[in-house]
Amino acid sequence: AQTVTQSQPEMSVQEAETVTLSCTYDTSESDYYLFWYKQPPSRQMILVIRQEAYKQQNATENRFSVNFQKAAKSFSLKISDSQLGDAAMYFCAYRPYSGGGADGLTFGKGTHLIIQP
Amino acid sequence: DAGVTQSPTHLIKTRGQHVTLRCSPISGHKSVSWYQQVLGQGPQFIFQYYEKEERGRGNFPDRFSARQFPNYSSELNVNALLLGDSALYLCASSRGLNQDYEQYFGPGTRLTVT
Repeated sequence: AQTVTQSQPEMSVQEAETVTLSCTYDTSESDYYLFWYKQPPSRQMILVIRQEAYKQQNATENRFSVNFQKAAKSFSLKISDSQLGDAAMYFCAYRPYSGGGADGLTFGKGTHLIIQP
Repeated sequence: DAGVTQSPTHLIKTRGQHVTLRCSPISGHKSVSWYQQVLGQGPQFIFQYYEKEERGRGNFPDRFSARQFPNYSSELNVNALLLGDSALYLCASSRGLNQDYEQYFGPGTRLTVT
């Protein structure tokens, strides 16, 4: 079974600074997807960024970027120029590429990100 | 376009009762997935439905069941409620089963079992 581990229950960063959230995962699959989701107090889970395992290039979305280390099974999220609106729970998630089969996302326990003004 | 909608927003039930939660996917989306998020944890996958058929199931007891209707909306049913079923239940929709398709989440239904 796949597992996703987020070792930082809570992180705090000053507004405009950079913060990195850690995620490791365990799988025997070679093809899969990795995601970072944001869940603000409104509860709506929002996709921040995704990475296909077969792509060597790290994904970026504006101020959000990932450091994907496939051999180490590590997938960290870097948030640059942190803004107050970035405050939320951040979940790392995994989904195998099953050739069209139905597989749900496997989530970590989350990291609570606090932005200090 | 409207996003994924779920009803009700909040629900309080007593142990042993039955509950039905509802989800309407984004227009054009044919797949619906259900997740349970216990307080302080990440969501756990319960079911995925596509074209009215169950296509994936997580590690949940048979007390949990679901169905999908011709308009692609879905219901999650939980029988014989336990205190441990108290959680946020999230619905996510996607265009289909292709793993390239992004899952869009609804705001969830908060279920409290007393």
